[in-house]
Amino acid sequence: AQKVTQTQTSISVVEKTTVTMDCVYETRDSSYFLFWYKQTASGEIVFLIRQDSYKKENATVGHYSLNFQKPKSSIGLIITATQIEDSAVYFCAMREGQAGNTGKLIFGLGTTLQVQP
Amino acid sequence: EAAVTQSPRSKVAVTGGKVTLSCHQTNNHDYMYWYRQDTGHGLRLIHYSYVADSTEKGDIPDGYKASRPSQENFSLILELASLSQTAVYFCASSDRTKNTEVFFGKGTRLTVV
Repeated sequence: AQKVTQTQTSISVVEKTTVTMDCVYETRDSSYFLFWYKQTASGEIVFLIRQDSYKKENATVGHYSLNFQKPKSSIGLIITATQIEDSAVYFCAMREGQAGNTGKLIFGLGTTLQVQP
Repeated sequence: EAAVTQSPRSKVAVTGGKVTLSCHQTNNHDYMYWYRQDTGHGLRLIHYSYVADSTEKGDIPDGYKASRPSQENFSLILELASLSQTAVYFCASSDRTKNTEVFFGKGTRLTVV
């Protein structure tokens, strides 16, 4: 069965440092897509970055990058030069590429990031 | 910019009453979803739809119905609201291409009393 696990409940870092958030997933699909979303204090859920399973290169968008380790079924989110406004809840999610036609996202439970001055 | 609009943004409902949450998207997306968010449970899929006039059960469909009368509109219906359905509900939409992102509405905070 599909599953996404985020083991870190919360992380606290000092501003301008780098933080890594962990995520592992389970799927029987050979093709799948991995996403990271951010939920702000207002509750809004915003897409950050994605990794397609067939791509070997780690995705990078702005100060977000991914550490995709396919043999370990792991997709870590790296935020460099953190800012106070990066404080939020971060969700890892997976979408299977072949199983059925649902297109649904399976989410992890989220990691709360607090960036302190 | 993709747009998913939910209404109402918050609601207080009486136990046993009927509640309808509405969602409208202007993205011309095929897929639409209803998720529920509770503290400690992350986001869980209630119902989804990939074409108008058809809905599918998600992971936690009990106590909920869904309706997709058009490509743009997707409603979540609680026929007999219960205290356990107090939560934040998110509607979302996406293109049929599975590597594209899912766009979320701003959520509806439902309190059942």
